[in-house]
Amino acid sequence: DAGITQSPRHKVTETGTPVTLRCHQTENHRYMYWYRQDPGHGLRLIHYSYGVKDTDKGEVSDGYSVSRSKTEDFLLTLESATSSQTSVYFCAISDHRGSQYFGPGTRLLVL
Amino acid sequence: EDKVVQSPLSLVVHEGDTVTLNCSYEVTNFRSLLWYKQEKKAPTFLFMLTSSGIEKKSGRLSSILDKKELFSILNITATQTGDSAIYLCAVEAGDKIIFGKGTRLHILP
Repeated sequence: DAGITQSPRHKVTETGTPVTLRCHQTENHRYMYWYRQDPGHGLRLIHYSYGVKDTDKGEVSDGYSVSRSKTEDFLLTLESATSSQTSVYFCAISDHRGSQYFGPGTRLLVL
Repeated sequence: EDKVVQSPLSLVVHEGDTVTLNCSYEVTNFRSLLWYKQEKKAPTFLFMLTSSGIEKKSGRLSSILDKKELFSILNITATQTGDSAIYLCAVEAGDKIIFGKGTRLHILP
């Protein structure tokens, strides 16, 4: 199994607070992705990274920022959490072949 | 341990062929099974299945779930080169979503 972990696995926070989710991989894959999964929407891409310090926006990037200072870590930050950001967040990694391997997910509840 | 297994891992067929992709699962507290098509970046949602025996259909794609035998199949008829992609199966179980490794489908013209 691809070595991807996400932390925390569950989080409850209040509106207006900053939140950072971490994705860690042990596969040395170049590409990393952050998605959110919501009922009726399937997976939607938030941001992705194609190398250290190289990131780009996805479909639903507003209200989110990312950082990748090391190959193995990709951080997703909600600058000021809103209730609409309550979701399940998935990190994925891929190599040059394009197959994406997904992490276990982080369930975030913003009250 | 919850797991989702897809087969085959890769498949090459000729345009016009019909393909069947498999997804089996072992999870506790099953809620739904999801199929996605992944071409470039974000996977595209195809189907959500919650009930056994009810076929979901969208054009040339169809899918069905068997909750007794714990598997689902995704059928693609009259395949086209645009069907070339990785097809992902995921299962919602309790408060988790577990993804399979995907089936890489390549359609030859």
